[in-house]
Amino acid sequence: NAGVTQTPKFRVLKTGQSMTLLCAQDMNHEYMYWYRQDPGMGLRLIHYSVGEGTTAKGEVPDGYNVSRLKKQNFLLGLESAAPSQTSVYFCASSYATGAGSYNEQFFGPGTRLTVL
Amino acid sequence: LAKTTQPISMDSYEGQEVNITCSHNNIATNDYITWYQQFPSQGPRFIIQGYKTKVTNEVASLFIPADRKSSTLSLPRVSLSDTAVYYCLVAYNNNDMRFGAGTRLTVKP
Repeated sequence: NAGVTQTPKFRVLKTGQSMTLLCAQDMNHEYMYWYRQDPGMGLRLIHYSVGEGTTAKGEVPDGYNVSRLKKQNFLLGLESAAPSQTSVYFCASSYATGAGSYNEQFFGPGTRLTVL
Repeated sequence: LAKTTQPISMDSYEGQEVNITCSHNNIATNDYITWYQQFPSQGPRFIIQGYKTKVTNEVASLFIPADRKSSTLSLPRVSLSDTAVYYCLVAYNNNDMRFGAGTRLTVKP
């Protein structure tokens, strides 16, 4: 049981390049999230998914796209990377969300992305 | 505007009780509060979650007053291994996840 895994662990891009970050979970969770973590700002939600085939915008969605074609995978894409997207990206998943539900989020180890 | 606010840092000594308070003025009736712990180069790890009053588990307690505009994470008898960053998370309207900026706790011998 690997939990939440992220690929790659590190990446350096040049401005304007594109890339896709892959998140996979083996816990059969419905909900998946992508966050970015910057110094002094905590974690900020980029996009999330409440189930296979559905995605929604979070607090900071601009410059990113996501897809959830399979329940266990959640992809984060950067079409044209910018230096402002230099950050550590975390993926998380949870069984449920909402009042009365068990809402613990399980996080992956993170992807450190540098855009030059 | 949904916002979650917590102190930037705290210092403590081994064996002491540590209380970290989070402010979430715009919390609604069904919004829940969760605390996470994060060590360097790792993802956050769940500590405790609650809606109201008091919740206790094997590692921490969470105190939430009646107006729910703040919450306090209590760590009993901290050790050096509790040195970490602690995040408060409020899930506004279920899916609008707002983390605080994190509280860096340093436990000294």
